[in-house]
Amino acid sequence: EVQLQESGPGLVKPSQSRSLTCSVTGYSITSNYWGWIRKFPGNKMEWMGYISYSGSTSYNPSLKSRISITRDTSKNQFFLQLNSVTTEDTATYYCVGYGYNYWYFDFWGPGTMVTVSS
Amino acid sequence: DIVLTQSPATLSVTPGESVSLSCRASQGISTDIHWYQQKSNESPRLLIKYASQSISGIPSRFSGSGSGTDFTLSINRVESEDFSVYYCQQSYSLPHTFGAGTKLELK
Repeated sequence: EVQLQESGPGLVKPSQSRSLTCSVTGYSITSNYWGWIRKFPGNKMEWMGYISYSGSTSYNPSLKSRISITRDTSKNQFFLQLNSVTTEDTATYYCVGYGYNYWYFDFWGPGTMVTVSS
Repeated sequence: DIVLTQSPATLSVTPGESVSLSCRASQGISTDIHWYQQKSNESPRLLIKYASQSISGIPSRFSGSGSGTDFTLSINRVESEDFSVYYCQQSYSLPHTFGAGTKLELK
């Protein structure tokens, strides 16, 4: 069974950077695409980006240069870093796994709420 | 970016009714649309992939149709466990985008 679990700080101050970790079990991250999606208060969902099985990345242009997705294959983990956060980054963050060779989201973590507040 | 417009925003029904939820794309996207269900305090769950392809473990009362710009998620005879929010998502081009969701609620 494939399982994903997010971890990271739940409260961040404006202008700081925030990093989240996604730990994957049951599936090697070197065999698929993995990504981050966030859901804002009010239900809007936003795809943030992905990291491929080879380590290449793609990001939502709306996040410009604030985002970075990296990985540690030895721990089967991938990471989200978002810089210069504002209150508009307050959301529930999900790590996701794509369907193998497909572009839908087959696997989801439980999500972690991140609040940006001073 | 491709904009997905879901309608209605809220749908109030009684168990046993059959319903159709709409998702319209701002440009043609072939059948590159996927549907998710999200219950309160849970992660989204994939219901339908590529407009009409079923997913293992999903009840057969859920079905999808459409191509191009207009897509429909149908639920045949709604059950109490179906009251949740439904999202469509396109994978035709990056960035992947989602609709704003349709909330299915008990009348």
